[in-house]
Amino acid sequence: QQQVKQSPQSLIVQKGGISIINCAYENTAFDYFPWYQQFPGKGPALLIAIRPDVSEKKEGRFTISFNKSAKQFSLHIMDSQPGDSATYFCAASKRSGGSYIPTFGRGTSLIVHP
Amino acid sequence: KAGVTQTPRYLIKTRGQQVTLSCSPISGHRSVSWYQQTPGQGLQFLFEYFSETQRNKGNFPGRFSGRQFSNSRSEMNVSTLELGDSALYLCASSNEPGIAEAFFGQGTRLTVV
Repeated sequence: QQQVKQSPQSLIVQKGGISIINCAYENTAFDYFPWYQQFPGKGPALLIAIRPDVSEKKEGRFTISFNKSAKQFSLHIMDSQPGDSATYFCAASKRSGGSYIPTFGRGTSLIVHP
Repeated sequence: KAGVTQTPRYLIKTRGQQVTLSCSPISGHRSVSWYQQTPGQGLQFLFEYFSETQRNKGNFPGRFSGRQFSNSRSEMNVSTLELGDSALYLCASSNEPGIAEAFFGQGTRLTVV
């Protein structure tokens, strides 16, 4: 059972375009939603995160939109650059034993053409 | 400030052997989590340690185990290796277990032949 569904699996955009990646979750116990960026040969790096009491969070060119009632959230990358080419993972975290345990989406491979 | 350090970076083992991977968290971080990343299953949570205690465990067989030392360094062990254990094993650390932001190391690429 895939608790966090991420789409699309791959995405190709032109430089300067907008990249949009979507995620949906089932479990309402999730209360922290981070996005990670992973380059080949590297571990995932935290990009931006949101909590369910906020509908949108923006950091530079990266924006998370969150729809609590629909149990969906998305990452928007504005003015996409070739350097943004990477795999992006959404995650939904819930507290367990005093810690936050994430469940990850399957990832989106983003290619930004110059 | 140094990031999360995982050793070794690459490892090749034979089916049936056991392997131990090491993770040094960011200085001051006391929570360490381990993840398995494969093309088929994606990123999956293995277990999480804080103050030398396992606080959470993912849905993996008992062949996967770990421990944390008093200096917060952690090791994970996989016994009786199977071909399907070939994966990138990632370690992440966070300051406190209640802090959601976690920082990942570069991982150990394990190949079982």
